[in-house]
Amino acid sequence: ETGVTQTPRHLVMGMTNKKSLKCEQHLGHNAMYWYKQSAKKPLELMFVYNFKEQTENNSVPSRFSPECPNSSHLFLHLHTLQPEDSALYLCASSQTASGDYEQYFGPGTRLTVT
Amino acid sequence: QKEVEQNSGPLSVPEGAIASLNCTYSDRGSQSFFWYRQYSGKSPELIMFIYSNGDKEDGRFTAQLNKASQYVSLLIRDSQPSDSATYLCAVTGAGGTSYGKLTFGQGTILTVHP
Repeated sequence: ETGVTQTPRHLVMGMTNKKSLKCEQHLGHNAMYWYKQSAKKPLELMFVYNFKEQTENNSVPSRFSPECPNSSHLFLHLHTLQPEDSALYLCASSQTASGDYEQYFGPGTRLTVT
Repeated sequence: QKEVEQNSGPLSVPEGAIASLNCTYSDRGSQSFFWYRQYSGKSPELIMFIYSNGDKEDGRFTAQLNKASQYVSLLIRDSQPSDSATYLCAVTGAGGTSYGKLTFGQGTILTVHP
């Protein structure tokens, strides 16, 4: 247990569905991240929030919409996804987003888009 | 050119041997370097971080950093079958749009055989 939890752990959704991924950290950190991990590809940074403010959107399609209501919670809202969006979605947190602090990952949500 | 490059392996070593994992990076100004271990189907787990040139030891693990050569490595002494996993190198960007962003390599698959 790293102190970062994610729900659901597995999700199957159709291309017309709307769903949300949830992440919660119990570490007292101020930065939270969404990453995408596809087979045979490096971890891809999607979004960064630092003190609840979005500081990074790594050219992510608008069908992915993040939300950070406070420093402990992070959501990723999904709508009209494509099959190529099937992947492991990882949430992480760190003390701040300065890059000097290690990031701790949640267990991930395995997403399958049918 | 990939920003963070690792040999994908697989690297196979016998139990008790030293496993040497290598990583090169392109951003000369990078200051923070991390090694993560990822078991199949699991999320990345932080093993070590290093900021200064030289060696940093933690139990059976030693991280080595050479900023002049833009090279970071991880040595695992007395390798055990439980060390079999994918090892991810991650580097923090130095400036511009990369500042504070953690960029991951593709990972090296390590197999320790009894």
